[in-house]
Amino acid sequence: DAGVTQSPTHLIKTRGQQVTLRCSPKSGHDTVSWYQQALGQGPQFIFQYYEEEERQRGNFPDRFSGHQFPNYSSELNVNALLLGDSALYLCASSLTGWADQPQHFGDGTRLSIL
Amino acid sequence: GNSVTQMEGPVTLSEEAFLTINCTYTATGYPSLFWYVQYPGEGLQLLLKATKADDKGSNKGFEATYRKETTSFHLEKGSVQVSDSAVYFCALSDRWPGNQFYFGTGTSLTVIP
Repeated sequence: DAGVTQSPTHLIKTRGQQVTLRCSPKSGHDTVSWYQQALGQGPQFIFQYYEEEERQRGNFPDRFSGHQFPNYSSELNVNALLLGDSALYLCASSLTGWADQPQHFGDGTRLSIL
Repeated sequence: GNSVTQMEGPVTLSEEAFLTINCTYTATGYPSLFWYVQYPGEGLQLLLKATKADDKGSNKGFEATYRKETTSFHLEKGSVQVSDSAVYFCALSDRWPGNQFYFGTGTSLTVIP
């Protein structure tokens, strides 16, 4: 049973560029959430997708956008990259989005902005 | 709003020592509480959870009890091993509209032989 898979593992971009990160949820899960984890910090919630729609959003600018596909996989897009966007981006999946369901995390994409 | 506060690290213990990592939370509703562990270069793995007051979550010798009266969810283990060296995150999940997770800043644990 495959867990949450993310691609790519590492990515290097320059300021002003755009990036797309991809996530496949754990089998049977229908909800995908994205988090940004800066070095030495806890993950910060970016947004959550359910039924191909953004259901919740954290305190992130509109430069961060996403999409969920009919097969529940998801993409995170970041435009006009800033140095401060350098972080580990984590995707997490869960079933139906209820609070007692733990989120299952992928290993993340390490994004470095030069 | 919702937030989680964890004790500052790093924590260094000798093998077989007793571990406590403090976690307190602030929540507007009735959240579920979780402990996650992160090994170097990896994502977060669920360690244990508790979904209501007085519930005790346990796994791999780790325990934590959901204390509503003190808004706490402290992580404990009676005898740590070198393989327990990792970063531990306390988290809460709200209930509506979806389970958005709020994480603490993490506590780094190093266990020395």
